[in-house]
Amino acid sequence: EIVLTQSPGTLALSPGERATLSCRASQSVTSDYLAWYQQKPGQTPRLLIHDASVRATGIPDRFSGSGSGTDFSLTISRLEPEDFAVYYCQQYGGSPLVTFGGGTKVEIK
Amino acid sequence: QVQLVESGGGVVQPGRSLRLSCAASGFTFSTYVVHWVRQAPGKGLEWVAVMSPDGSLRFYTDSVKGRFTISRDNSKNTLYLQMSSLRIEDTAVYYCARDPVLGRPDYLDYWGRGTLVTVSS
Repeated sequence: EIVLTQSPGTLALSPGERATLSCRASQSVTSDYLAWYQQKPGQTPRLLIHDASVRATGIPDRFSGSGSGTDFSLTISRLEPEDFAVYYCQQYGGSPLVTFGGGTKVEIK
Repeated sequence: QVQLVESGGGVVQPGRSLRLSCAASGFTFSTYVVHWVRQAPGKGLEWVAVMSPDGSLRFYTDSVKGRFTISRDNSKNTLYLQMSSLRIEDTAVYYCARDPVLGRPDYLDYWGRGTLVTVSS
């Protein structure tokens, strides 16, 4: 069973700073089938990245995904005020078929 | 535009049943894989179930196997989740979500706003 561990649990940064979020899998993710989502309080998750590094439609280029195998990361190059939220990674195609990480909260320092 | 609208949530006692619905519009529902994902209050996302476009394939997370049934009516553009033997730990917002890639469970490009299920005595 693939377990996704996100770190850190909380990241306190200032607008304009760079954010790097980690997602580590307990075993290799099939074909790098990994996605990232953003969720703001009271809102629905929003797809940011799929297939580890492909930005979803309409996502600003300050968001980028990288990694392969068991180690993946989401980088926000310069934090905008609207980027403070919780971020989740998700693997698809493994066993179980779909799993989410526990989330990383990016908060204003 | 793509819309997914869940309904059917509410307060239910442990051991009882509830059926959720998800009405889809803005895309050809019958050609897409669809999922249910839940989120307990203040917690993270948990995948629940997935169904193929024609309804022939369905998969569940272990904690709901034998209790929940995913189904769809493509003539009504609607996805369902029949939940039985509900437990307190099933309390969550339940989202339906669209999967844009045929052939395997995949990432989720559109989500509904969710419906809250509260299991409490």
